[in-house]
Amino acid sequence: GQNIDQPTEMTATEGAIVQINCTYQTSGFNGLFWYQQHAGEAPTFLSYNVLDGLEEKGRFSSFLSRSKGYSYLLLKELQMKDSASYLCARYNFNKFYFGSGTKLNVKP
Amino acid sequence: EAQVTQNPRYLITVTGKKLTVTCSQNMNHEYMSWYRQDPGLGLRQIYYSMNVEVTDKGDVPEGYKVSRKEKRNFPLILESPSPNQTSLYFCASRVGDRVFEQYFGPGTRLTVT
Repeated sequence: GQNIDQPTEMTATEGAIVQINCTYQTSGFNGLFWYQQHAGEAPTFLSYNVLDGLEEKGRFSSFLSRSKGYSYLLLKELQMKDSASYLCARYNFNKFYFGSGTKLNVKP
Repeated sequence: EAQVTQNPRYLITVTGKKLTVTCSQNMNHEYMSWYRQDPGLGLRQIYYSMNVEVTDKGDVPEGYKVSRKEKRNFPLILESPSPNQTSLYFCASRVGDRVFEQYFGPGTRLTVT
């Protein structure tokens, strides 16, 4: 999807911290978004970054470096309910380009 | 309750038989989009609309049509469905130009045989 790369799958332990990386092509960029999608459900919005730096929202934080075409989603104090796919999306003039998603497995 | 609804949720049809998937939102959002989701390819934007009577192509518009005659509704039309349009379809809406949070409908699983 328009050169957006993220790992296919990750596994982490309940209570731990996990970082999900996303790289994207830097041309034509207006913002970077993260969505959570549980199996069989619709995506739900988590966060977005327009400027460089860290945006914190409770247990979830997202970081952006526009010059490097790089973002990450940080999930702290992992819970079993965090097992889901995490979708990275680039926004450019009304169009959203999604990565294939990272399936996160949280184990006890 | 603020929501995006889609109908039908599941549909099995045959090649060439025209179909429409409806999408409706009750949040007075200006922007609406249609996506398809396929394994390994992620979500891909088909069409989007910025307001009534204003629509534009997304990443994969071939084989699809849309219309926006009312603010709340944004139907997706497949004039002559083909098996490669078998997919999970999502409708989404957002407030407007500078508000980026999208609200997704529950999805429509379409199978074309």
